[in-house]
Amino acid sequence: QKEVEQNSGPLSVPEGAIASLNCTYSDRGSQSFFWYRQYSGKSPELIMFIYSNGDKEDGRFTAQLNKASQYVSLLIRDSQPSDSATYLCAVRNTGGFKTIFGAGTRLFVKA
Amino acid sequence: NAGVTQTPKFQVLKTGQSMTLQCAQDMNHNSMYWYRQDPGMGLRLIYYSASEGTTDKGEVPNGYNVSRLNKREFSLRLESAAPSQTSVYFCASSGRGGDQPQHFGDGTRLSIL
Repeated sequence: QKEVEQNSGPLSVPEGAIASLNCTYSDRGSQSFFWYRQYSGKSPELIMFIYSNGDKEDGRFTAQLNKASQYVSLLIRDSQPSDSATYLCAVRNTGGFKTIFGAGTRLFVKA
Repeated sequence: NAGVTQTPKFQVLKTGQSMTLQCAQDMNHNSMYWYRQDPGMGLRLIYYSASEGTTDKGEVPNGYNVSRLNKREFSLRLESAAPSQTSVYFCASSGRGGDQPQHFGDGTRLSIL
């Protein structure tokens, strides 16, 4: 079992819809959770991080964390074609340094 | 406003050659990381350095060595390059604290023939 798992996609949604991206992790003691966006040929850039159970909202993005289920998700409201990218889930371990990434989910937003 | 700088951006090597990838950050971050990214595999952690003077193995350390030269610089060395090491390599850094995000360099595209 991989330490961090994501559905590779591609996930295709129409413009204006909600895109839902999911991630599960195996280390129950993980403390911090990050979502990065990566455009083709570019480096990852941070979208959000979350470390408490529940929801965290930032503009059109909402991160959701459920530590009991070892599950973290990212919702993108009012999806735009510019949101088309690969979304990487990252989990930081209990020591606070080692960060493991999932394989990423490719999102396509159709105009 | 450089952030994380990686050199070189592109490199082609022959099997068996050695090479060092350089990484420097100007954000006074304690932790630095080396990842490789292959199609469909996401980012895989090679080595990381929690602070100056320490280094630890990640998920895929075989065939690589690292040096944390000082707080700013963290280099990755391939002693005898193999075609399986063809990949895009990213360096990243982060501040102190488990909630600090990583900041990435632009990557080094390495091809080994």
